[in-house]
Amino acid sequence: AQTVTQSQPEMSVQEAETVTLSCTYDTSESNYYLFWYKQPPSRQMILVIRQEAYKQQNATENRFSVNFQKAAKSFSLKISDSQLGDTAMYFCAFMNPLSNSGYALNFGKGTSLLVTP
Amino acid sequence: DAGVIQSPRHEVTEMGQEVTLRCKLISGHNSLFWYRQTMMRGLELLIYFNNNVPIDDSGMPEDRFSAKMPNASFSTLKIQPSEPRDSAVYFCASSFGAGVTDTQYFGPGTRLTVL
Repeated sequence: AQTVTQSQPEMSVQEAETVTLSCTYDTSESNYYLFWYKQPPSRQMILVIRQEAYKQQNATENRFSVNFQKAAKSFSLKISDSQLGDTAMYFCAFMNPLSNSGYALNFGKGTSLLVTP
Repeated sequence: DAGVIQSPRHEVTEMGQEVTLRCKLISGHNSLFWYRQTMMRGLELLIYFNNNVPIDDSGMPEDRFSAKMPNASFSTLKIQPSEPRDSAVYFCASSFGAGVTDTQYFGPGTRLTVL
């Protein structure tokens, strides 16, 4: 099974600064999708950004961008101009093929990000 | 458009009781996933339905857990009898399909506490 590793259990950043959350994965698949989900204290799982492995261009969504290094199997999330509302748990996820058919998300353990004033 | 709806948001019950968690899919979606989140194991897939049919239930812990999808827009996850180790946050997610390109959208979760 594919594995997703987030090596930073906790991080903090000051408001307006930039922070990068790391994620590595292991797979033998040729085409796949990677995701970052955000889970604020409300517990809601919110999709932040996604990246298709075939696309060389890094995905960007407003202040959120990724650095996708396919050869290194690395998928980091950069948050620019951090805001207090960015405080949350961030999960890196891989779209994992299921044995019968279809795909489901395989999540990393998460990184807890605290944005301070 | 309404997102995935889950009820209840919180459930506290005593060991041995039956618990039923409910989920309403986003309109037009045909794939439904139940995930469980615990401190020890993180987020893990329990079961996946496509077009109301259970496709993969390899993540269901044991026979005490059962899930149904009686129609295209609604699913239940039942635990009978419940045990303290079932305490967790249970999420359902839906997607338009179950391909590698189909993004899953999550409900707000149900926090279950079994005393």
